[in-house]
Amino acid sequence: EDQVTQSPEALRLQEGESSSLNCSYTVSGLRGLFWYRQDPGKGPEFLFTLYSAGEEKEKERLKATLTKKESFLHITAPKPEDSATYLCAVYLTGGSGGSNYKLTFGKGTLLTVNP
Amino acid sequence: KAGVTQTPRYLIKTRGQQVTLSCSPISGHRSVSWYQQTPGQGLQFLFEYFSETQRNKGNFPGRFSGRQFSNSRSEMNVSTLELGDSALYLCASSKGQGGADTQYFGPGTRLTVL
Repeated sequence: EDQVTQSPEALRLQEGESSSLNCSYTVSGLRGLFWYRQDPGKGPEFLFTLYSAGEEKEKERLKATLTKKESFLHITAPKPEDSATYLCAVYLTGGSGGSNYKLTFGKGTLLTVNP
Repeated sequence: KAGVTQTPRYLIKTRGQQVTLSCSPISGHRSVSWYQQTPGQGLQFLFEYFSETQRNKGNFPGRFSGRQFSNSRSEMNVSTLELGDSALYLCASSKGQGGADTQYFGPGTRLTVL
């Protein structure tokens, strides 16, 4: 069954302590993997789109990588303002053999960066 | 370029009532998708509209419905509200029909059902 799994559920870091978040997926025919950041009570903010294995994208202290089975969001020297929930998502088929796709999200990783 | 806007931002309703939420996509985007977000279930797909037609639907009861207008603005309606409908409702827009395009989210409408 197609699905998206994120780990860990929660991660607490000290300021400057680098780490990685994981997003594993099982889908036949990846049509894009998306990373979002969400602050409490707000809508998800787009970070990256990755389309093929080996692809990497960077933005400030964040770097996203993609393999055939998972994606990592690496956070280098995080700051307290990086605290948020990080969501990954992939397009899955709409079911019933249809060609329509729906963006399916993992449950997210709640990142807390302490000063 | 203005982002996705949603109105209202907050709503309080009682069980049995109905509610309509509105979403204006980014200019030039023709696809609008709706999601429900709750602490227990996370972000769940409701439906997607493209060119005024519903293209895809998630596993929600028929009480949840929507529509899209010729200017790509979309509305979502929930009838006969239940306590479990309390959630953050998010809409997202993209240029083309779902399948590979990046979706950009609005700030959401926080619905509380009493």
